[in-house]
Formats: sequence, structure tokens, C-alpha cells
Amino acid sequence: GAGVSQSPSNKVTEKGKDVELRCDPISGHTALYWYRQSLGQGLEFLIYFQGNSAPDKSGLPSDRFSAERTGGSVSTLTIQRTQQEDSAVYLCATSPRRTDTQYFGPGTRLTVL
Amino acid sequence: AQKVTQAQTEISVVEKEDVTLDCVYETRDTTYYLFWYKQPPSGELVFLIRRNSFDEQNEISGRYSWNFQKSTSSFNFTITASQVVDSAVYFCALSGGGSYIPTFGRGTSLIVHP
Repeated sequence: GAGVSQSPSNKVTEKGKDVELRCDPISGHTALYWYRQSLGQGLEFLIYFQGNSAPDKSGLPSDRFSAERTGGSVSTLTIQRTQQEDSAVYLCATSPRRTDTQYFGPGTRLTVL
Repeated sequence: AQKVTQAQTEISVVEKEDVTLDCVYETRDTTYYLFWYKQPPSGELVFLIRRNSFDEQNEISGRYSWNFQKSTSSFNFTITASQVVDSAVYFCALSGGGSYIPTFGRGTSLIVHP
């Protein structure tokens, strides 16, 4: 079946602009995670959605970052007033249950000029 | 708090050598899950294995094998007869018990030279 998809694959933006990154999960996966991976670094947890519960936003680095998950399916990560330090690969992962194997999307590479 | 340590930042080997990637974890939970993921140069993380805390059996899958030892809190990954296609960053991760946010190690970059 189809895996996790993310769009766009690449995004170049100017400092101060807002960006939206999209994640389409595997059908039926109730858990959805967003991570950030800077060049040569590990995975930095950003936010977690589980079903219809309130998301865990504890990893969001600032209030410029927000995310939504509509209808328990598609998720959008929004970064407002982007800064150069926001440049990274943003990864989405989903799993059938919250402690289960995570399936990762290909990521969105964000470059802030 | 959970913690995953991958002390080896980068390993360089020549093709056909065996290589072991170390993973040491910390958790107070009695029920937890351990994972290994591979991130090739293309960038997409690929799931390799999942092991729960009650199953200490070692596992072999082709050239890959995993050694889980609760006594030393380690979950090491061995690649036998390495190949250039094994070149990637490998992440060890821990989840379950009291935390639903998996903890990832910083990754080990494996470079296999022809």
C-alpha cells in the first residue's frame, strides 16, 4: 500500500515568509509525529498527534511553529516568519499505535534564504 | 527520562568487513520497545527491526543481526560482510512504557568503502 507522503519535497523561501508543510499518513494510522533534522544531526521531536486527542506540542521550538491534523488524517506543519535557523529537513512519521513502529515520509527540505 | 546513546558517530570499513553498531539505552519502564532505522543518502528513514523488552532472543535477517541484552541495556546491530549499499546513517530508538514520544539516538554514520 501507499506509504507516508510529504509535500513539497523541497521548499525555498525568504526569511520572514510563512510556509506550510503537508503530511499524508498511511491510512488507518492513528499516531502522527513531526520531526526536524538539521544537516548531519539526529531527529528532533516537534509534535505528536494521537487520534482525536489534544496534540503533544512539547517539542515545538517557538510559537512560530504550529501544526494541525484534520479529521485524524492529513497534517499540516506551519512555520510563520521563517528564520534561517529553520532550515532543515522536516520529517513526518506515522504508526498504527503510539508505541508501534514508525513509518517515515521522504521529508521536506526547507531552505530559508 | 529515557535516553539512547550511540557512542559511535562515524564508522568506516572496507567492503566485506563485519561491523557492529552500538546502542545503549536507559529507561525506568519495564515494558518498552527498541528499534533500528536506516537512513541512506537518499534521506528516507527505513524501519529495520522492532524488539520488545520481554523478548531477548537475538535475531538474524540475512546479513543483519541484532543482539539485545537487558543486563547491559544494549541493543547492538551487526552487519556481516558489509557492502557499499550498507552506507547510511543508522538510528537506534526507544519507545513505550510511560512515554509515547520515541527517543532516538544521534545516529551512527556507516561508510563502506569498495
